Amino acid sequence: QVQLQESGPGLVKPSDTLSVTCSVSGGSMDPYAWNWIRQPAGKGLEWIGRIYLSGVTNYNASLKSRVTMSLDTSNNQFSLKLTSVTAADTAVYYCARERYTYGGNWCFDLWGRGTPVTVSS
Amino acid sequence: DIQMTQSPSSLSASVGDRVTITCQASQDIRNYLNWYQIKPGKAPKLLIYAASNLETGVPSRFSGSGYGTDFVFTISSLQPEDIATYSCQHYDDDLPLTFGGGTKVEI
Repeated sequence: QVQLQESGPGLVKPSDTLSVTCSVSGGSMDPYAWNWIRQPAGKGLEWIGRIYLSGVTNYNASLKSRVTMSLDTSNNQFSLKLTSVTAADTAVYYCARERYTYGGNWCFDLWGRGTPVTVSS
Repeated sequence: DIQMTQSPSSLSASVGDRVTITCQASQDIRNYLNWYQIKPGKAPKLLIYAASNLETGVPSRFSGSGYGTDFVFTISSLQPEDIATYSCQHYDDDLPLTFGGGTKVEI
């Protein structure tokens, strides 16, 4: 049974870089796309971006200048770095697997439990 | 960006009730619409994909319908374990992917 597990710092200081890693266990990372999604307290989900196994990335334009995603297929992991964080980046950060369904539709069929990150001095 | 307007933002219902949540897209998204269940401290769960397809292992009391801009998610008989927040999400080649604001379901 494939599982995703996020690991993060818990607390990050303003202007620092937030780094979160997702470990994929119980299965292969192929042929899926791998995503980061976050949810601030009391707000809806926000898609941050995705990385394909080819290394190609797509980012939300609202965060693009601060986001970098990377892949470590040898260890079945992928990571998110978000620079110059502010209090607005305080959220639960989820990793999610993106699967093709049919007719051009894709969905997030597997998620981690999320890791809470607070930006505060 | 495609905006997803979900309503209501919260609802209270009794066990056994039929619960309906709507999601409206700001433009035609065909059937590229998925529904998720989110519980605190748990991994969010895919319930419905491509507007009306039940994900494997999901109870049949959950269903979805719609096409184009208007979509509906239904729980035919609310159970205590269904207490959660439900969120729609559109898929499109035109990024970013976006979610509805969520509906908190309480008993």
